[in-house]
Amino acid sequence: DIQMAQSPSSLSASVGDRVTITCRASQSITTHLNWYQQKAGKAPDLLISAATTLQSGVPSRFSGSGSGTDFTLTITRLQPEDFATYYCQESYTTSRTFGQGTKVDIK
Amino acid sequence: DVYLVESGGGSVQPGGSLRLSCEASGFNFFRYEMNWVRQAPGKGLEWVSYISTTGDIRYYADSVKGRFTISRDNTKNSLDLQMNGLRAEDTGVYFCVRDLCGADCYSPRTLAYWGQGTLVTVSS
Repeated sequence: DIQMAQSPSSLSASVGDRVTITCRASQSITTHLNWYQQKAGKAPDLLISAATTLQSGVPSRFSGSGSGTDFTLTITRLQPEDFATYYCQESYTTSRTFGQGTKVDIK
Repeated sequence: DVYLVESGGGSVQPGGSLRLSCEASGFNFFRYEMNWVRQAPGKGLEWVSYISTTGDIRYYADSVKGRFTISRDNTKNSLDLQMNGLRAEDTGVYFCVRDLCGADCYSPRTLAYWGQGTLVTVSS
Protein backbone atom coordinates (compact mmCIF):
# COMPACT_ATOMS: atom_id res chain seq x y z
CA ASP A 1 0.00 0.00 0.00
CA ILE A 2 1.02 3.58 -0.61
CA GLN A 3 1.83 5.58 2.51
CA MET A 4 1.15 9.29 2.68
CA ALA A 5 3.22 11.46 5.02
CA GLN A 6 2.16 15.02 5.76
CA SER A 7 4.31 17.63 7.39
CA PRO A 8 4.12 19.37 9.68
CA SER A 9 1.50 17.65 11.82
CA SER A 10 0.55 21.03 13.21
CA LEU A 11 1.50 24.65 12.83
CA SER A 12 0.63 27.98 14.35
CA ALA A 13 0.19 30.97 12.08
CA SER A 14 -1.25 34.46 12.04
CA VAL A 15 -3.89 35.99 9.83
CA GLY A 16 -2.19 37.17 6.68
CA ASP A 17 0.62 34.61 6.83
CA ARG A 18 1.64 32.33 3.98
CA VAL A 19 1.28 28.68 4.95
CA THR A 20 2.77 25.66 3.23
CA ILE A 21 1.85 22.04 3.95
CA THR A 22 3.74 19.15 2.40
CA CYS A 23 2.56 15.68 1.48
CA ARG A 24 4.92 12.91 0.41
CA ALA A 25 3.86 9.60 -1.12
CA SER A 26 5.85 6.40 -0.62
CA GLN A 27 5.83 5.84 -4.39
CA SER A 28 4.91 7.86 -7.44
CA ILE A 29 1.24 8.75 -7.69
CA THR A 30 1.73 11.06 -10.71
CA THR A 31 -0.79 13.86 -10.02
CA HIS A 32 -3.43 11.72 -8.28
CA LEU A 33 -3.42 13.82 -5.14
CA ASN A 34 -6.27 15.66 -3.45
CA TRP A 35 -6.45 18.13 -0.58
CA TYR A 36 -9.27 18.48 1.94
CA GLN A 37 -10.10 20.96 4.68
CA GLN A 38 -11.92 19.86 7.80
CA LYS A 39 -13.24 22.18 10.47
CA ALA A 40 -14.04 20.93 13.94
CA GLY A 41 -17.20 18.85 14.06
CA LYS A 42 -17.78 19.09 10.31
CA ALA A 43 -17.31 16.83 7.31
CA PRO A 44 -14.25 17.47 5.15
CA ASP A 45 -14.46 19.71 2.11
CA LEU A 46 -12.58 18.99 -1.10
CA LEU A 47 -10.27 21.91 -1.89
CA ILE A 48 -8.01 20.70 -4.68
CA SER A 49 -8.14 17.66 -6.95
CA ALA A 50 -5.55 16.19 -9.29
CA ALA A 51 -2.80 18.02 -7.41
CA THR A 52 -3.55 21.49 -8.81
CA THR A 53 -7.25 21.87 -9.74
CA LEU A 54 -9.04 24.26 -7.41
CA GLN A 55 -12.61 23.21 -6.77
CA SER A 56 -15.45 25.58 -7.57
CA GLY A 57 -16.05 28.06 -4.78
CA VAL A 58 -12.65 27.58 -3.15
CA PRO A 59 -10.81 30.89 -2.69
CA SER A 60 -7.86 31.53 -4.97
CA ARG A 61 -5.53 31.95 -1.98
CA PHE A 62 -5.42 28.14 -1.93
CA SER A 63 -3.17 26.43 -4.44
CA GLY A 64 -1.65 23.02 -4.97
CA SER A 65 1.48 21.88 -6.70
CA GLY A 66 3.63 18.82 -7.21
CA SER A 67 3.75 15.51 -9.01
CA GLY A 68 5.29 12.11 -8.50
CA THR A 69 5.88 11.79 -4.77
CA ASP A 70 6.06 15.37 -3.45
CA PHE A 71 3.13 17.75 -3.18
CA THR A 72 2.40 21.07 -1.56
CA LEU A 73 -0.69 22.93 -0.42
CA THR A 74 -0.13 26.65 -0.11
CA ILE A 75 -2.41 29.19 1.51
CA THR A 76 -1.42 32.76 0.80
CA ARG A 77 -2.71 35.46 3.18
CA LEU A 78 -4.26 33.14 5.76
CA GLN A 79 -7.79 34.15 6.77
CA PRO A 80 -9.61 33.46 10.06
CA GLU A 81 -11.85 30.87 8.37
CA ASP A 82 -8.77 28.90 7.21
CA PHE A 83 -7.92 27.64 10.68
CA ALA A 84 -8.70 23.96 10.30
CA THR A 85 -7.13 20.57 9.69
CA TYR A 86 -5.91 19.75 6.20
CA TYR A 87 -5.55 16.29 4.72
CA CYS A 88 -3.96 15.01 1.56
CA GLN A 89 -5.30 11.85 -0.10
CA GLU A 90 -3.87 9.73 -2.90
CA SER A 91 -6.34 8.82 -5.62
CA TYR A 92 -3.88 6.60 -7.48
CA THR A 93 -4.98 3.32 -5.89
CA THR A 94 -8.23 1.79 -4.75
CA SER A 95 -7.09 2.29 -1.13
CA ARG A 96 -7.52 6.09 -1.34
CA THR A 97 -5.04 6.59 1.51
CA PHE A 98 -5.07 9.82 3.53
CA GLY A 99 -2.22 11.62 5.11
CA GLN A 100 -2.37 11.99 8.89
CA GLY A 101 -3.48 15.61 8.71
CA THR A 102 -2.02 19.03 9.46
CA LYS A 103 -3.75 21.20 12.03
CA VAL A 104 -3.45 24.93 11.40
CA ASP A 105 -4.21 27.01 14.45
CA ILE A 106 -3.92 30.61 15.52
CA LYS A 107 -0.57 31.86 16.78
CA ASP B 1 -27.19 20.54 -4.67
CA VAL B 2 -25.85 17.17 -3.58
CA TYR B 3 -27.31 15.84 -0.35
CA LEU B 4 -26.12 12.78 1.52
CA VAL B 5 -27.80 11.88 4.79
CA GLU B 6 -26.48 9.03 6.92
CA SER B 7 -28.43 7.12 9.53
CA GLY B 8 -28.15 3.97 11.58
CA GLY B 9 -25.33 4.85 13.92
CA GLY B 10 -25.49 4.08 17.61
CA SER B 11 -23.91 2.17 20.45
CA VAL B 12 -23.20 -1.52 20.22
CA GLN B 13 -21.20 -4.07 22.19
CA PRO B 14 -18.06 -5.66 20.76
CA GLY B 15 -18.99 -8.44 18.38
CA GLY B 16 -22.29 -6.83 17.55
CA SER B 17 -23.70 -5.55 14.27
CA LEU B 18 -25.00 -2.31 12.85
CA ARG B 19 -26.31 -1.31 9.45
CA LEU B 20 -25.63 2.21 8.26
CA SER B 21 -27.66 3.82 5.51
CA CYS B 22 -27.14 6.85 3.32
CA GLU B 23 -29.94 8.57 1.46
CA ALA B 24 -28.77 10.50 -1.61
CA SER B 25 -30.52 13.30 -3.46
CA GLY B 26 -29.78 16.17 -5.80
CA PHE B 27 -27.93 14.12 -8.39
CA ASN B 28 -28.30 11.01 -10.56
CA PHE B 29 -27.24 8.50 -7.94
CA PHE B 30 -26.85 5.61 -10.39
CA ARG B 31 -24.11 7.47 -12.28
CA TYR B 32 -21.72 7.85 -9.35
CA GLU B 33 -19.37 5.63 -7.42
CA MET B 34 -19.80 5.80 -3.67
CA ASN B 35 -17.71 5.28 -0.56
CA TRP B 36 -17.73 5.11 3.19
CA VAL B 37 -15.01 6.96 5.11
CA ARG B 38 -14.64 6.96 8.89
CA GLN B 39 -12.94 9.04 11.52
CA ALA B 40 -12.13 7.80 15.00
CA PRO B 41 -12.52 10.36 17.80
CA GLY B 42 -9.71 12.90 17.59
CA LYS B 43 -8.03 11.01 14.74
CA GLY B 44 -7.61 11.33 10.99
CA LEU B 45 -9.67 10.12 8.07
CA GLU B 46 -9.72 6.48 7.00
CA TRP B 47 -11.31 5.24 3.78
CA VAL B 48 -13.45 2.17 4.54
CA SER B 49 -15.19 0.92 1.42
CA TYR B 50 -16.06 1.65 -2.22
CA ILE B 51 -18.81 0.47 -4.55
CA SER B 52 -19.11 0.91 -8.30
CA THR B 53 -22.13 2.44 -10.01
CA THR B 54 -23.77 -0.92 -10.63
CA GLY B 55 -22.62 -2.52 -7.39
CA ASP B 56 -20.61 -5.25 -9.08
CA ILE B 57 -17.24 -3.96 -7.87
CA ARG B 58 -16.56 -3.45 -4.18
CA TYR B 59 -13.36 -2.68 -2.29
CA TYR B 60 -12.64 -2.66 1.40
CA ALA B 61 -9.90 -1.45 3.70
CA ASP B 62 -7.92 -4.33 5.16
CA SER B 63 -9.12 -3.30 8.63
CA VAL B 64 -12.74 -4.15 7.77
CA LYS B 65 -12.42 -6.81 5.09
CA GLY B 66 -14.54 -9.86 5.86
CA ARG B 67 -16.61 -7.99 8.45
CA PHE B 68 -18.21 -5.11 6.54
CA THR B 69 -20.34 -5.25 3.39
CA ILE B 70 -21.18 -2.27 1.20
CA SER B 71 -24.27 -2.27 -0.99
CA ARG B 72 -26.45 0.13 -2.93
CA ASP B 73 -29.98 0.35 -4.31
CA ASN B 74 -30.11 2.60 -7.34
CA THR B 75 -33.92 2.44 -7.39
CA LYS B 76 -34.01 3.99 -3.94
CA ASN B 77 -30.92 6.24 -4.20
CA SER B 78 -29.48 4.59 -1.15
CA LEU B 79 -26.13 3.27 0.04
CA ASP B 80 -25.67 0.87 2.94
CA LEU B 81 -22.86 -0.47 5.07
CA GLN B 82 -23.51 -3.67 6.98
CA MET B 83 -21.03 -3.92 9.84
CA ASN B 84 -20.60 -7.23 11.64
CA GLY B 85 -18.11 -8.37 14.25
CA LEU B 86 -17.68 -4.83 15.48
CA ARG B 87 -14.59 -3.96 17.50
CA ALA B 88 -13.71 -1.05 19.74
CA GLU B 89 -11.40 0.28 17.03
CA ASP B 90 -14.39 0.62 14.68
CA THR B 91 -15.68 3.46 16.86
CA GLY B 92 -15.99 6.73 15.02
CA VAL B 93 -18.01 8.91 12.70
CA TYR B 94 -18.88 7.23 9.41
CA PHE B 95 -19.30 9.43 6.37
CA CYS B 96 -21.11 8.58 3.15
CA VAL B 97 -19.08 10.07 0.30
CA ARG B 98 -19.68 10.51 -3.42
CA ASP B 99 -16.89 10.47 -5.96
CA LEU B 100 -16.19 13.72 -7.76
CA CYS B 101 -17.46 12.80 -11.20
CA GLY B 102 -18.85 9.94 -13.21
CA ALA B 103 -17.45 8.06 -16.17
CA ASP B 104 -14.20 9.35 -17.71
CA CYS B 105 -13.50 11.50 -14.68
CA TYR B 106 -10.30 13.57 -14.83
CA SER B 107 -9.75 12.80 -11.17
CA PRO B 108 -11.07 9.35 -10.26
CA ARG B 109 -11.22 8.15 -6.67
CA THR B 110 -11.66 11.72 -5.44
CA LEU B 111 -13.97 12.03 -2.45
CA ALA B 112 -15.95 15.10 -3.34
CA TYR B 113 -19.29 15.20 -1.55
CA TRP B 114 -19.69 14.18 2.08
CA GLY B 115 -22.65 13.60 4.33
CA GLN B 116 -22.67 14.96 7.88
CA GLY B 117 -21.71 11.58 9.31
CA THR B 118 -23.21 9.15 11.78
CA LEU B 119 -21.52 8.11 15.02
CA VAL B 120 -20.80 4.47 15.78
CA THR B 121 -19.66 3.57 19.28
CA VAL B 122 -18.44 0.08 20.06
CA SER B 123 -18.05 -0.45 23.77
CA SER B 124 -18.94 -2.89 26.48
